[in-house]
Amino acid sequence: GAVVSQHPSRVICKSGTSVKIECRSLDFQATTMFWYRQFPKQSLMLMATSNEGSKATYEQGVEKDKFLINHASLTLSTLTVTSAHPEDSSFYICSVPKRAFPYEQYFGPGTRLTVT
Amino acid sequence: GEDVEQSLFLSVREGDSSVINCTYTDSSSTYLYWYKQEPGAGLQLLTYIFSNMDMKQDQRLTVLLNKKDKHLSLRIADTQTGDSAIYFCAESRDTGNQFYFGTGTSLTVIP
Repeated sequence: GAVVSQHPSRVICKSGTSVKIECRSLDFQATTMFWYRQFPKQSLMLMATSNEGSKATYEQGVEKDKFLINHASLTLSTLTVTSAHPEDSSFYICSVPKRAFPYEQYFGPGTRLTVT
Repeated sequence: GEDVEQSLFLSVREGDSSVINCTYTDSSSTYLYWYKQEPGAGLQLLTYIFSNMDMKQDQRLTVLLNKKDKHLSLRIADTQTGDSAIYFCAESRDTGNQFYFGTGTSLTVIP
């Protein structure tokens, strides 16, 4: 199956700093990528849809100025958590939708962000 | 998003069968999926089913769909310790677009 990578896998940062997370689609080009957030023992919450060449679409309640998304190329989307606070500590996962049967999503391995 | 519900925890003995249940509310769901998440990792697709199917079997995995009751289940035969993980059901109406995930079921396999 297709491979999606994320970098870094784990990051610890101080409160007030910004952190960039990369998501790469290694096997095929992706005009759309999804960013999810997962709290411990909870389900995935869709944060935003990253669109190549246009602005990201954010879900209700997600601050677009805090979670900056840039879909720089057909294989790369980045999520920047700006002015991070401890409550931003979470597991961030990206996915790439497959545009052919069975229309699944390929998930990255996730990035564990800890803000101290 | 749409409501997709799962029981939070399931514990079974090694070698027994596991049944993980999922209910959803969107009657227009077209594709339904089961994903597995191991600790600290992303999600791995286990299997999927179309809404016009009642059952699908793939080796140790059997998916049952009751569209009338909007109920989906995943049966794992001969459960092994390596099956311990969180299992998410997900539903989608479009091809490869937004997924709605269930709350996840944490499966613990007791040796």
